[in-house]
Amino acid sequence: KQEVTQIPAALSVPEGENLVLNCSFTDSAIYNLQWFRQDPGKGLTSLLLIQSSQREQTSGRLNASLDKSSGRSTLYIAASQPGDSATYLCAVSDSGTYKYIFGTGTRLKVLA
Amino acid sequence: DAGVIQSPRHEVTEMGQEVTLRCKPISGHNSLFWYRQTMMRGLELLIYFNNNVPIDDSGMPEDRFSAKMPNASFSTLKIQPSEPRDSAVYFCASSLTGPEQYFGPGTRLTVT
Repeated sequence: KQEVTQIPAALSVPEGENLVLNCSFTDSAIYNLQWFRQDPGKGLTSLLLIQSSQREQTSGRLNASLDKSSGRSTLYIAASQPGDSATYLCAVSDSGTYKYIFGTGTRLKVLA
Repeated sequence: DAGVIQSPRHEVTEMGQEVTLRCKPISGHNSLFWYRQTMMRGLELLIYFNNNVPIDDSGMPEDRFSAKMPNASFSTLKIQPSEPRDSAVYFCASSLTGPEQYFGPGTRLTVT
């Protein structure tokens, strides 16, 4: 059974710092991996999608990498801003049905 | 363009009562997902529909939970009878034949 773990559970950094969020999964036979952002009291917003054949994806200040063989993904946030404060979730899909298994998230706070 | 719409946003009910949560997916999307989010278990997929047909309901916790999708623009998740351990945030998401899912704002359910 696929299990997804995110470390750390919470992170507080000063504005401007570069940071890395980690996601690990137990079954490397994934179809794709997504990073989501969740703001308090709101739904999830997809940030980056990495197909199993890809190594990384970039969007603005965000870069996500995928290492299937080791069961790991990282989300790199450059020059963090207070507006980046949110919970970040990673999710993996092990089939083309897009049935996602979610991690428990990393709660990020960027201090002004 | 309106996103995924969920109602009600908040629901407080007493144990034993029937609860119905509603979802309107993004127009044109052909897949719909119901998730439950709790502190203890994180975000879990309950059921998903493709072209209004339930494809995978293995995440539905008990027979007290049921979901329907009578047409492409409406779905319900019903809990009967409700119990305090059903308290959670319930999310609906939709997608268009692809991996990217669009989430609604969620319904926060409290069962006393």
